[in-house]
Amino acid sequence: GENVEQHPSTLSVQEGDSAVIKCTYSDSASNYFPWYKQELGKRPQLIIDIRSNVGEKKDQRIAVTLNKTAKHFSLHITETQPEDSAVYFCAAGGKLIFGQGTELSVKP
Amino acid sequence: GAGVSQSPRYKVAKRGQDVALRCDPISGHVSLFWYQQALGQGPEFLTYFQNEAQLDKSGLPSDRFFAERPEGSVSTLKIQRTQQEDSAVYLCASSPGADSYEQYFGPGTRLTVT
Repeated sequence: GENVEQHPSTLSVQEGDSAVIKCTYSDSASNYFPWYKQELGKRPQLIIDIRSNVGEKKDQRIAVTLNKTAKHFSLHITETQPEDSAVYFCAAGGKLIFGQGTELSVKP
Repeated sequence: GAGVSQSPRYKVAKRGQDVALRCDPISGHVSLFWYQQALGQGPEFLTYFQNEAQLDKSGLPSDRFFAERPEGSVSTLKIQRTQQEDSAVYLCASSPGADSYEQYFGPGTRLTVT
């Protein structure tokens, strides 16, 4: 079955810097890759997603890139703000298989 | 519009008790998923419905776990004879289905088994 690995587990950046979180997946048949943001005690919130027929997608300060050959995808957040602080999860598949999460801390 | 809702938000059960967790998906969403999220971990897939049909229950950890969606809308996850290892947040997500893969999560039910 699908397996998703996510790195790093924690990431601390200064406000205004960029943050990059990387994930690899094992099942070459996977064709959908969402990213979720989860604040403490809250529900996972879908922030961006990409399908396997697209290499890159951008939404304001957030972008996702996908390399199907290498089976990895990344989340890029530019101009980070303190409110970006949360745990970010990547996932793959239809029944989503999640990575272990990255705790992002943006220091003002 | 209204998002996915779940009830109760918190449930404390004594070991051995049965519990029932409810999920109200976004109106019109065909697909419904249940996930289990342990503290500090990512959600783990439990089961999946398309309308009233349970198409995948491969993630249910034991035969004490049972899910249903009899009319293709509201779903209930039932756990019989709860054990301490069942303590987790149970998340429900719904998706429009067909060609749409986006899943929208409910707030979850935090189950604590004492």
